[in-house]
Amino acid sequence: AQKVTQAQTEISVVEKEDVTLDCVYETRDTTYYLFWYKQPPSGELVFLIRRNSFDEQNEISGRYSWNFQKSTSSFNFTITASQVVDSAVYFCALSEPYYGGSQGNLIFGKGTKLSVKP
Amino acid sequence: DTGVSQNPRHKITKRGQNVTFRCDPISEHNRLYWYRQTLGQGPEFLTYFQNEAQLEKSRLLSDRFSAERPKGSFSTLEIQRTEQGDSAMYLCASSSGGAYIQYFGAGTRLSVL
Repeated sequence: AQKVTQAQTEISVVEKEDVTLDCVYETRDTTYYLFWYKQPPSGELVFLIRRNSFDEQNEISGRYSWNFQKSTSSFNFTITASQVVDSAVYFCALSEPYYGGSQGNLIFGKGTKLSVKP
Repeated sequence: DTGVSQNPRHKITKRGQNVTFRCDPISEHNRLYWYRQTLGQGPEFLTYFQNEAQLEKSRLLSDRFSAERPKGSFSTLEIQRTEQGDSAMYLCASSSGGAYIQYFGAGTRLSVL
């Protein structure tokens, strides 16, 4: 069965601190896609990154970085030098490829609420 | 460049009433998804359209729920005889081809009194 676990329900940091959000996933397939989305208080889910299962390279985008490790089924997200505007709920999600019978629907974790205080 | 649009943003209704939500996907996105999100939870998949065809429905989608996507453009989600347990945020997302990236609308928050 497919499952995404975000064990951290809430994290609170002070501005400029680094913070890592954990994501552990379960799937039977060898081909799959992992995502991170940000949900600010306005409610709209904002796409941050997609990673496919064959690409284990870490990725950096500005203050954001992602660490994908297939050996531990983890796809962790780090924000460096956090800012108040980073305050939001962050979701990790998993989807499987269309050819495997999946329609590409996303399986989400329960999310981690990040509060960055000034 | 317009994103996914959902209307209304908020809906308050009395138990037993019918409600309908609308989703306008990003132009030319052939795939459209509906999700439901309750407080403190991640979104859960409800149903999926490829163009005008509804190809998958979650077991969460009871008989009181129906969705359409006429002509493969906008989509509607109707809930008949609403119950308090239907109170949630209903999210729509669209994607194109093999990109697998889903872009979400701001959602419709339903409150059933």
